[in-house]
Amino acid sequence: DAGITQSPRHKVTETGTPVTLRCHQTENHRYMYWYRQDPGHGLRLIHYSYGVKDTDKGEVSDGYSVSRSKTEDFLLTLESATSSQTSVYFCAISETGQGAGETQYFGPGTRLLVL
Amino acid sequence: AQKVTQAQTEISVVEKEDVTLDCVYETRDTTYYLFWYKQPPSGELVFLIRRNSFDEQNEISGRYSWNFQKSTSSFNFTITASQVVDSAVYFCALSEPNSGNTPLVFGKGTRLSVIA
Repeated sequence: DAGITQSPRHKVTETGTPVTLRCHQTENHRYMYWYRQDPGHGLRLIHYSYGVKDTDKGEVSDGYSVSRSKTEDFLLTLESATSSQTSVYFCAISETGQGAGETQYFGPGTRLLVL
Repeated sequence: AQKVTQAQTEISVVEKEDVTLDCVYETRDTTYYLFWYKQPPSGELVFLIRRNSFDEQNEISGRYSWNFQKSTSSFNFTITASQVVDSAVYFCALSEPNSGNTPLVFGKGTRLSVIA
């Protein structure tokens, strides 16, 4: 199994508060991704990173920001959480990224509830 | 336009039956990659298979098999002699190397329930 951990695994927060989710990998892979999973939508890409300090937006990036200061860590921040951001968040990694159609391996997920 | 369509939202079968999960994709690229992932009730996403567009050979892995047909833009997944442990949500996904900011596009998933 790919060495990917996410923290926290569960979080309940209130509308308007900032929230940061952490993804940590031990595989030294270059690419890291954040997805959200919602019923009826499958998985949708929020942001991804192709190297330290190199990030780009995905399909549903509004209301989210990311940072990657080290190869192993990719942080997802909800600047001001809203109820529509209640979801399950998955981190993924791949060795070389989309150009090679590389397989993405997923972390265990974080369940976020925004009240 | 939806690029990956999994028309079967939910399927229920009795244990030991064979079941096929459908996946139809849409792309204009000649080079692309197709994937299947399994999400058991515990919630994690497990990679099952990756197939590139130049390899149309069917793949078999134990009770699992995949039928890739470019003529119909389909990449179907068959479980033979299903077991209760196969109960999960299965996702098909498409990667297009020249895509913009969506490196991997997922279908909405098919929930498979295998009843003992």
